[in-house]
Amino acid sequence: AQSVAQPEDQVNVAEGNPLTVKCTYSVSGNPYLFWYVQYPNRGLQFLLKYITGDNLVKGSYGFEAEFNKSQTSFHLKKPSALVSDSALYFCAVRDIRGSGNTGKLIFGQGTTLQVKP
Amino acid sequence: DTEVTQTPKHLVMGMTNKKSLKCEQHMGHRAMYWYKQKAKKPPELMFVYSYEKLSINESVPSRFSPECPNSSLLNLHLHALQPEDSALYLCASSQDQRGGEQYFGPGTRLTVT
Repeated sequence: AQSVAQPEDQVNVAEGNPLTVKCTYSVSGNPYLFWYVQYPNRGLQFLLKYITGDNLVKGSYGFEAEFNKSQTSFHLKKPSALVSDSALYFCAVRDIRGSGNTGKLIFGQGTTLQVKP
Repeated sequence: DTEVTQTPKHLVMGMTNKKSLKCEQHMGHRAMYWYKQKAKKPPELMFVYSYEKLSINESVPSRFSPECPNSSLLNLHLHALQPEDSALYLCASSQDQRGGEQYFGPGTRLTVT
């Protein structure tokens, strides 16, 4: 079965320090992987994706993620955190099982990032 | 432009009311989605429309009725809801159902009294 795990409910980091939000996945074929951010009372904003190609993917707002096939991980990173990065972050994998690509996104449980001044 | 708009932003309805949520995108996307999200939880897929046809219904109760009048619009008709249906309802769209990222609207905060 396809699944996504975000092992940390919350990540705390000081402003200016690097941040990492962890994500591991389990899929039967090649994964399509995504990161989304959600600010309070807002919808999800797309940050970046991995479909194929370079393992290091750059996205919006200075975020990047590294696809690691051997560790089945897709961790989100940023070299220098901002207070405004504080939000709820979701990792997701695209369900491409069965007779076709159903388009269903399978989300992790989310990680709250708290960046303190 | 990667904007998906949703109206209304907030909705309070009684259990006997009928109301509708609306979603619109002008990105030429051919797949549109309805999600339900409880606080601090991941979105739960409800329906997928592909090329204006219902493609996926995640066993959603019949008190939720989706409609896709054209390729830019998606509605969710609500009738006889329960208090546990109170949630943030998110609409999303993507180029098509086969791949690529989904773009989400800001959501409608629904409260059922």
